[in-house]
Amino acid sequence: AQSVSQHNHHVILSEAASLELGCNYSYGGTVNLFWYVQYPGQHLQLLLKYFSGDPLVKGIKGFEAEFIKSKFSFNLRKPSVQWSDTAEYFCAVNSFYGGATNKLIFGTGTLLAVQP
Amino acid sequence: DAGVIQSPRHEVTEMGQEVTLRCKPISGHDYLFWYRQTMMRGLELLIYFNNNVPIDDSGMPEDRFSAKMPNASFSTLKIQPSEPRDSAVYFCASSLSRLAGYTDTQYFGPGTRLTVL
Repeated sequence: AQSVSQHNHHVILSEAASLELGCNYSYGGTVNLFWYVQYPGQHLQLLLKYFSGDPLVKGIKGFEAEFIKSKFSFNLRKPSVQWSDTAEYFCAVNSFYGGATNKLIFGTGTLLAVQP
Repeated sequence: DAGVIQSPRHEVTEMGQEVTLRCKPISGHDYLFWYRQTMMRGLELLIYFNNNVPIDDSGMPEDRFSAKMPNASFSTLKIQPSEPRDSAVYFCASSLSRLAGYTDTQYFGPGTRLTVL
């Protein structure tokens, strides 16, 4: 079965520190990859997505992610975090093999706390 | 566009009562998804529809849960009878299909926070 792993469950950073959140998936075929963010008390919002092309994807609010097919990874990065980045971050994968599937498989999420 | 609309935003009920959650997807979207989010289990997909037809309900926890989509602009998730362990935030999301069967970005509603006493 397909799965998505986010190894960091809780991350605490100071403002201006660099961020990298890990995401690995188990499926070897063609995939679409997403990062969603959930601010406290709010719903999930799309940060960025990868469908094809340049494996380095830029999203909103200065976030970017790199798709490395050989490592089955799609790590999220930001060079300098702000207090307002405090949120929970979810990696998700949609795979396609032998027929259409439109389920997103979500990781368990990484809770990021940025200290001022 | 108003985005995905869910109602109610908060629901408090007593064990054994019927609960109905409502969702209006973004106009023109042909996929609709129901998720449940809890601290213990994270984000779980319960069921999803394509063109109003249920495609995969393997995530529905048990027979107490049912979902319908009578038309392209409305869906309900019903729990009958409700139990305290059903307490969670229930999200609805919608998306537009892309070529070759892939879904596009899912847009989430604000969620319904359900508390069953």
